[in-house]
Amino acid sequence: ILNVEQSPQSLHVQEGDSTNFTCSFPSSNFYALHWYRWETAKSPEALFVMTLNGDEKKKGRISATLNTKEGYSYLYIKGSQPEDSATYLCAGYGGSQGNLIFGKGTKLSVKP
Amino acid sequence: EAEVAQSPRYKITEKSQAVAFWCDPISGHATLYWYRQILGQGPELLVQFQDESVVDDSQLPKDRFSAERLKGVDSTLKIQPAELGDSAMYLCASSFSTGSADTQYFGPGTRLTVL
Repeated sequence: ILNVEQSPQSLHVQEGDSTNFTCSFPSSNFYALHWYRWETAKSPEALFVMTLNGDEKKKGRISATLNTKEGYSYLYIKGSQPEDSATYLCAGYGGSQGNLIFGKGTKLSVKP
Repeated sequence: EAEVAQSPRYKITEKSQAVAFWCDPISGHATLYWYRQILGQGPELLVQFQDESVVDDSQLPKDRFSAERLKGVDSTLKIQPAELGDSAMYLCASSFSTGSADTQYFGPGTRLTVL
C-alpha cells in the first residue's frame, strides 16, 4: 500500500522568509504526485500535478520539484506572505492503489 | 470559475441519527469522489464514481454508509446510524476522468459533529 509522509507537521515563519516542505513516497510503481493548498474554511486548491522524474513546476512564489528515483517531492515558497498560511497536502498515485493517497499535511503559519 | 458545491457546510447530529450530505460536481466531470478527513489525518477515499457506477468503495463502511449518483451528476452520501467516530470533514471532489494525473477539484466540505 502506498504510504505518503509529509514533514514537518507544522511550520511557523515570519513574513518574507522562504520555506520548504517535504513529501516522501515509495519510489516503486509511482505514477503521479499532487500538491494541494487548503486554507481554513475553504476548498482544497490544486497546486501541481507532477509525473516525471526531475519535474519542476512553478506558480507565482510557489514551486515544486519531484524525484521519483528516491521518492520525494519538495514544495518551496519564496518570500512567505500571511496569505500563504494554510495546510499543504501532497497525495501520491501509484502501486496497487487506483486512487490518491494523501499525507497528513504540513500546516504553515506566516506571521506578519 | 466552476466549483464543486457541497451542502450542508456544517452538521451536528446525535449518535444513532441519520445524516445525508450532497455534492454537485463541476459540469462535465465524469468522476466523483467522496473523502473523509479525520482531524490530524489526510483525506481518505470512501467511494469513487465513474458516471453513475461505483468504481471503488473498498473503504466505505457499508454497514452504515451508502452513496449514490443516480443520474451520473450530483451525489448523496448517507450515514445511518451515525456513530461518535464518524465526526470528521467529508469532502467531495470531481475530475474530468480517472487518470493518475487528472486534477481533482474539491468542494468546501461538510464538517460533521456527532454528539
